[in-house]
Amino acid sequence: EAGVTQSPRYAVLQEGQAVSFWCDPISGHDTLYWYQQPRDQGPQLLVYFRDEAVIDNSQLPSDRFSAVRPKGTNSTLKIQSAKQGDTATYLCASSFPSSGNTLYFGEGSRLIVV
Amino acid sequence: QQKVQQSPESLIVPEGGMASLNCTSSDRNVDYFWWYRQHSGKSPKMLMSIFSNGEKEEGRFTVHLNKASLHTSLHIRDSQPSDSALYLCAASDDTNAYKVIFGKGTHLHVLP
Repeated sequence: EAGVTQSPRYAVLQEGQAVSFWCDPISGHDTLYWYQQPRDQGPQLLVYFRDEAVIDNSQLPSDRFSAVRPKGTNSTLKIQSAKQGDTATYLCASSFPSSGNTLYFGEGSRLIVV
Repeated sequence: QQKVQQSPESLIVPEGGMASLNCTSSDRNVDYFWWYRQHSGKSPKMLMSIFSNGEKEEGRFTVHLNKASLHTSLHIRDSQPSDSALYLCAASDDTNAYKVIFGKGTHLHVLP
């Protein structure tokens, strides 16, 4: 079974630039999460979806961050006008109720803003 | 949002020793706990889950849960250098089991 796929794996931006991260969850997983993980810290929840619906996006840091999952499968997280404080790894995870809500993570997208 | 606190921040144990990690939630509605392990440069992977009071053992790993105090602990016996990693505690509450919040983690270093 294919795991969660994320791209790109790395991105280096200047402040003010925009970036989009893409996630393909495990087939059949209805819940998809985006987390932000600063270096050597725990993942911080940004947003999560059930199918195509946003369930909770209250933790998105600002209106510079947006996320969509239009067909209930793949998802895109976009950061506009990036700041140095956005430097982190962005993790996508998916889950399915019968799995006891175990989260399966992708390898992450490492963002560096200079 | 609910808070998940982990201690200690960092732990050093000798190879073959016992590592004990702690996690507490400040949210009285929390009902479910997981432990994830994240090796350096890799993504987190679920190690164990515990939803009921008591103890659960899988090989060298044992988790305890006390729902009254909202405290869970992970114990690793006969620690190996390959156990060196960031251990993350995660929790969700019974009003929204799908909102999974992580603590800041405990860095475990097992010295050969």
